[in-house]
Amino acid sequence: DSGVTQTPKHLITATGQRVTLRCSPRSGDLSVYWYQQSLDQGLQFLIQYYNGEERAKGNILERFSAQQFPDLHSELNLSSLELGDSALYFCASSPGVSADTQYFGPGTRLTVL
Amino acid sequence: QQPVQSPQAVILREGEDAVINCSSSKALYSVHWYRQKHGEAPVFLMILLKGGEQKGHEKISASFNEKKQQSSLYLTASQLSYSGTYFCGTNMDSNYQLIWGAGTKLIIKP
Repeated sequence: DSGVTQTPKHLITATGQRVTLRCSPRSGDLSVYWYQQSLDQGLQFLIQYYNGEERAKGNILERFSAQQFPDLHSELNLSSLELGDSALYFCASSPGVSADTQYFGPGTRLTVL
Repeated sequence: QQPVQSPQAVILREGEDAVINCSSSKALYSVHWYRQKHGEAPVFLMILLKGGEQKGHEKISASFNEKKQQSSLYLTASQLSYSGTYFCGTNMDSNYQLIWGAGTKLIIKP
């Protein structure tokens, strides 16, 4: 158990819908990262927040947005969902702002029908 | 620029050795290694830093050749539990994001 929690574990929805994925980092970690992993593919970095501020952006679509709240939990919002958005979405956390050890949550499996 | 991992996949018998490589065309500050079992989250294995410092917590060894900008992960006397996909993440500076390789799938057969 990494100490990072993600909810929900599974999400099934239809095309065009909007969903919110939630992540709580390990106690004391200030950075949260979001990744997308399509079936048997690598990790695609989406976005990083550090202590409430956006720190780095990767290949995140305009239909996707994220935020980190004062209690450091983070949410990833996915809208106008398409079939291709079906994937595992991982959240990871680390203590600092730089590329230190990242601790991954169990992931949210999103299925868009 | 995405680091290149090789091989893409390898199948071993239990007890055999494996080497997984991660190469970059850019000068690296650090290389991070993670293992992911099917359907699970990636788990940290090791960080190798420029200058030779190495941080890890499992009985897995690795090297970082700064001249070649290549890291190698050594799995000796492989066990069934070593099966999974190994990812390397690299960065050019401690303040930069990790860029992840495509992964190496390791299958260990009894």
